[in-house]
Amino acid sequence: DQQVKQNSPSLSVQEGRISILNCDYTNSMFDYFLWYKKYPAEGPTFLISISSIKDKNEDGRFTVFLNKSAKHLSLHIVPSQPGDSAVYFCAADTHANTGNQFYFGTGTSLTVIP
Amino acid sequence: DSGVTQTPKHLITATGQRVTLRCSPRSGDLSVYWYQQSLDQGLQFLIQYYNGEERAKGNILERFSAQQFPDLHSELNLSSLELGDSALYFCASSVGTGGRETQYFGPGTRLLVL
Repeated sequence: DQQVKQNSPSLSVQEGRISILNCDYTNSMFDYFLWYKKYPAEGPTFLISISSIKDKNEDGRFTVFLNKSAKHLSLHIVPSQPGDSAVYFCAADTHANTGNQFYFGTGTSLTVIP
Repeated sequence: DSGVTQTPKHLITATGQRVTLRCSPRSGDLSVYWYQQSLDQGLQFLIQYYNGEERAKGNILERFSAQQFPDLHSELNLSSLELGDSALYFCASSVGTGGRETQYFGPGTRLLVL
């Protein structure tokens, strides 16, 4: 059962515009969320995170928004650049974990068109 | 470069065989995680080791096993391989064992079972 879902497999955006990647989750115990970015032939790299006590976290061009009532989070990239073209994974964690187990979505492939 | 290394990069084998995937964590990291990414699937957490001991277990099949050695490198053993085991296997590492730590991923091992 996929507890973290990314329903858009792909997204194309013009350079300079905003990219919005969406993620939904089903487990109400999740209280920490992350976005990872993956280039071909490389492992995922950490991008940004947000705790459930916040509804927004910003880091440069990247902002993550969390809507707990809707169990939804989104990643905004402004302005989008060709180097942002990659697969983006949403992940979630719960304080109930004894370890550091992340639940990942299936990923959204972003293409930024020059 | 995340500092996490995985060998081999590619592996082709036959059904019923056994393979071993190897991971060396970043210098100073005590936790190692294994993930499986099948076609059109998100990363599925398999297992976590912390300083040589199993810390958390996810959707790991009984045919699969892992261990972490005193030098902190880890091996994932896959036995009685089936066609459905074909996937990308990622290793990640972090400093400790929880507290919302960033996981740093290796480039992955692509396994093809024929």
